[in-house]
Amino acid sequence: DIQMTQSPSSLSASVGDRVTMTCRASQNIDTYLNWYQQKPGKAPHLLIYDASSRDRGVPSRFSGSGSGVDFSLHIMSLQPEDFATYYCQQSYTTPVTFGEGTKVDFK
Amino acid sequence: QVQLQESGPGLLKPSETLALMCTVSGGSMASQSWGWVRQSAGKPLEWLGRVYVNGTTDYNPSLKSRLTISADTSKNHFSLRLHSVTAADTAVYFCARDNPYQQLVYWGPGTLVTVSS
Repeated sequence: DIQMTQSPSSLSASVGDRVTMTCRASQNIDTYLNWYQQKPGKAPHLLIYDASSRDRGVPSRFSGSGSGVDFSLHIMSLQPEDFATYYCQQSYTTPVTFGEGTKVDFK
Repeated sequence: QVQLQESGPGLLKPSETLALMCTVSGGSMASQSWGWVRQSAGKPLEWLGRVYVNGTTDYNPSLKSRLTISADTSKNHFSLRLHSVTAADTAVYFCARDNPYQQLVYWGPGTLVTVSS
């Protein structure tokens, strides 16, 4: 299976901050990388697919970058509703696998 | 808008079989694939497997020997059966619809399953 490693595991930030988190794959996955947001008690929600494409309705402050093994999720100006846990997922091969998540909380 | 809803027992004993159903509303099950993901406390999301509307399945090799996923498109639902459960199978189980690119586009709200004697 392809292993996905996210960092940091958690970060503290304030409203308006620019936030970046990273995801590394254990092998080349081209741009088959997706990002999900999950809030407590809720299901994950697709934010970014194919490394850099925003899903429908996702605000433009969210952006993704990377290819190969290294990827990043950027939040340009953190909003109160963005405090959540973010997971990367590789869709290069089956079984799809997820990272352990980056939790964004209030500083 | 497609909506999914999991249903099934919340508590099982070790060695029992977990049976969950996911009911699909707001759209047809045709031409899609439908799967299951679980989330245990302190662990990453774990993809379990999927069923295509033609009945073909893909399973996570780590669970393949214990897992069966099936679909009944005429009733707009699909199901998971996990045999011989242990405490390690305690998790929130989500059903989801993925697209041909293995992106999980729609999710159910999840159902907590606890395995305890």
